[in-house]
Amino acid sequence: GAVVSQHPSWVICKSGTSVKIECRSLDFQATTMFWYRQFPKQSLMLMATSNEGSKATYEQGVEKDKFLINHASLTLSTLTVTSAHPEDSSFYICSARVIGQANNEQFFGPGTRLTVL
Amino acid sequence: AQTVTQSQPEMSVQEAETVTLSCTYDTSESDYYLFWYKQPPSRQMILVIRQEAYKQQNATENRFSVNFQKAAKSFSLKISDSQLGDAAMYFCAYRSARSNSGYALNFGKGTSLLVTP
Repeated sequence: GAVVSQHPSWVICKSGTSVKIECRSLDFQATTMFWYRQFPKQSLMLMATSNEGSKATYEQGVEKDKFLINHASLTLSTLTVTSAHPEDSSFYICSARVIGQANNEQFFGPGTRLTVL
Repeated sequence: AQTVTQSQPEMSVQEAETVTLSCTYDTSESDYYLFWYKQPPSRQMILVIRQEAYKQQNATENRFSVNFQKAAKSFSLKISDSQLGDAAMYFCAYRSARSNSGYALNFGKGTSLLVTP
């Protein structure tokens, strides 16, 4: 199956700093990548849809100026949490949609655990 | 917006037995996809099984099968011959087939499956 990586796998930062999370499709090209957030013992909530070469589409309630998404190539999307606060502590998961597959299957990265002190 | 409901927060099954996880969804669309994902303690999302709404035949993947009732908007997962490695969170997910939907997944709240020896 297709492989999606995320870096870093976990990060601890101080309140007020910014953190960048990378999502890469390693062996396929992805026109679309999705960013989800998962709080402990909860489900995955879609934050934004990232399309290569265009602006991301954010879900209602997600601050686009706080969660900056860049999808500069067909294999890389980045999520930057700006001026992070403790309430941003969560598990962030990306997924990538495979170009050309009729069923448009998505493949998930292993996630990034963010802890803001 | 489509909603996905998993009414069983926790389920328990004995090794080698069969368990069924429930999922219902609400949509006005006629064409869509339904999924069951497994999230073990590693938190890597793993696709268990997929069902296309236009297919009447229930999907099957080895020990995993679904009971898809389109009219009732029900999509349950049956795990046969349960194994200790099946213990995980299971998420039911919906995805529109419309190209302007963005193809993002809409997840239920999940069911935690415990497998006892």
